[in-house]
Amino acid sequence: DGGITQSPKYLFRKEGQNVTLSCEQNLNHDAMYWYRQDPGQGLRLIYYSQIVNDFQKGDIAEGYSVSREKKESFPLTVTSAQKNPTAFYLCASSMPRVGDEAFFGQGTRLTVV
Amino acid sequence: KNEVEQSPQNLTAQEGEFITINCSYSVGISALHWLQQHPGGGIVSLFMLSSGKKKHGRLIATINIQEKHSSLHITASHPRDSAVYICAVRGGGADGLTFGKGTHLIIQP
Repeated sequence: DGGITQSPKYLFRKEGQNVTLSCEQNLNHDAMYWYRQDPGQGLRLIYYSQIVNDFQKGDIAEGYSVSREKKESFPLTVTSAQKNPTAFYLCASSMPRVGDEAFFGQGTRLTVV
Repeated sequence: KNEVEQSPQNLTAQEGEFITINCSYSVGISALHWLQQHPGGGIVSLFMLSSGKKKHGRLIATINIQEKHSSLHITASHPRDSAVYICAVRGGGADGLTFGKGTHLIIQP
């Protein structure tokens, strides 16, 4: 079955450590996205990529980094520069054409202690 | 930048009631999504609309492009419908979705 896989579902890290969240899709989608969700707020765009080896900052990119070396994979690194990293992180993918449906992973809940 | 407003923020209803959740946006869009998020956090896409109306089981979604407004209806609501329902809109490009804050729905038996 085609879909998006995020791992792990829950992640705990000590303050000051970098951590990488995995996102893999087998839908052959060109575009992939990372969003962050905080309590009481809508999901906000961190980074997106429309094609391999290219990506753009979203609304809240500070303290995060990404790579897109393969079409199927779009890992997100939460660096020690991110001041409030504890949040729910959601990966999505779609074809970039207008009207194409977006597909979502199950999310990773990151807790930094 | 598009602003997406959902109402109500919280809704508690009795099993069997007809539920309506509203979504308004400020700028023209290419598509609107209705999503469902359960307590574990995973998000499921319910509908994608660019015009008119779609129905899937007990769920109905409508959109009025001129008024920049969409509604999600649940008929014969059931406790398993309890979840957060999120409206998200897409502009003309591939720069992702803009999300509403969600409506937290609780259906009591």
